[in-house]
Amino acid sequence: QVQLQESGPGLVKPSQTLSLTCSVSGGSISSGGYYWSWIRQHPGKGLEWIGYIYDSGRTDYNPSLKSRLAISIDTSKNQFSLKLSSVTVADTAVYYCARCLHAGDYEDYWGQGTLVTVSS
Amino acid sequence: DIQMTQSPSSLAASVGDRVTITCRASQSIRNYLNWYQQKPGKAPNLLIYVASNLQSGVPSRFSGSGSGTDFTLTISSLQPEDFATYYCQQSYTTPRTFGQGTKVEIK
Repeated sequence: QVQLQESGPGLVKPSQTLSLTCSVSGGSISSGGYYWSWIRQHPGKGLEWIGYIYDSGRTDYNPSLKSRLAISIDTSKNQFSLKLSSVTVADTAVYYCARCLHAGDYEDYWGQGTLVTVSS
Repeated sequence: DIQMTQSPSSLAASVGDRVTITCRASQSIRNYLNWYQQKPGKAPNLLIYVASNLQSGVPSRFSGSGSGTDFTLTISSLQPEDFATYYCQQSYTTPRTFGQGTKVEIK
């Protein structure tokens, strides 16, 4: 059973960089056939796709965040990471990592989510 | 971006009711449409993928249909554990986009 777990600071100051890591267990992140996704949910709101990374390292980002976003993968640690720079209060959200099956493009396993608050 | 519009935004139903939620895409997405269920404080859970395929472990009372721009999620007989918010998601192209959600509440 694949499990994903987000980790990182729960509080980030405005203009700083939000950094999160997703640790994957129960399967290899480089096994092929998957993308590794980040999705967020503003408090009380709907879901927003942030982007994903292939195990090859190729990325696909939401254009609305692309200029501030970097997703990376570390196959040796079975982890992938998110960095979002120049954050504002509008980036306050629950951040989820998820596994996306390439054949069909759907997220079948999700982390529990982590709340990141942007505040001074 | 492809806009996904769900209707209704919320509904109240009783246990045993048949419930239908609709999702419309702003352009054809063929059958690249997924449905998720989310309960408060929890991550979304995949119910249906590629329009009509039931995810493993999901009860058979859930079903999906549609293609092109119009899709439907049906719960044939609502159970107490089904009270939640449901989201559709297009996976035809990036950026992937979600509907605004449909909250199913107890009548």
